[in-house]
Amino acid sequence: AQKVTQAQTEISVVEKEDVTLDCVYETRDTTYYLFWYKQPPSGELVFLIRRNSFDEQNEISGRYSWNFQKSTSSFNFTITASQVVDSAVYFCALSEASSARQLTFGSGTQLTVLP
Amino acid sequence: KAGVTQTPRYLIKTRGQQVTLSCSPISGHRSVSWYQQTPGQGLQFLFEYFSETQRNKGNFPGRFSGRQFSNSRSEMNVSTLELGDSALYLCASSSGTSSNQPQHFGDGTRLSIL
Repeated sequence: AQKVTQAQTEISVVEKEDVTLDCVYETRDTTYYLFWYKQPPSGELVFLIRRNSFDEQNEISGRYSWNFQKSTSSFNFTITASQVVDSAVYFCALSEASSARQLTFGSGTQLTVLP
Repeated sequence: KAGVTQTPRYLIKTRGQQVTLSCSPISGHRSVSWYQQTPGQGLQFLFEYFSETQRNKGNFPGRFSGRQFSNSRSEMNVSTLELGDSALYLCASSSGTSSNQPQHFGDGTRLSIL
């Protein structure tokens, strides 16, 4: 069975600091997909990025970057020069090709960026 | 492009009642999935519908059911409500044609059981 672990329950940083959110996953499938979502206080889950299991290339999008390492089953998310607006709960999620659109979520990391 | 729309946003019910939640997916999306979010259990998959057929189901009791209409809109029904059903119910849509397409979520319906 698939599993996603986000060991960091809460992180607090001061504005402009860099912060990394950890995500470790377990799956038996060789084809799977990893996602990061952001959940602001309003409740909506906002899609940030998708990564396929056969594509380990890291990605950078503005202040956001993602480090995917199959050898350690990790898909970590770094925010550079954090801002107050980055404060939210961040979820890492996994879907296996065999179970299509069923997302398994981690427990989430509450990020608070202080001014 | 309009996002996923869920109605109502808030709902208060009492134990034993039943409730129906509605979800309108992004235009052109044929897959609709439902998730339950609680502080104790986190985000859990309920079921997924594609072209009016349930394709996948999570580990929830039969009191939780759903359906999808020909226009891809979906409804979720919970019968004989229990206190533990209090949660944020999120609906997500995707094109459904490929397993790696991201799901886009609505704002959710917050259900409170008294």
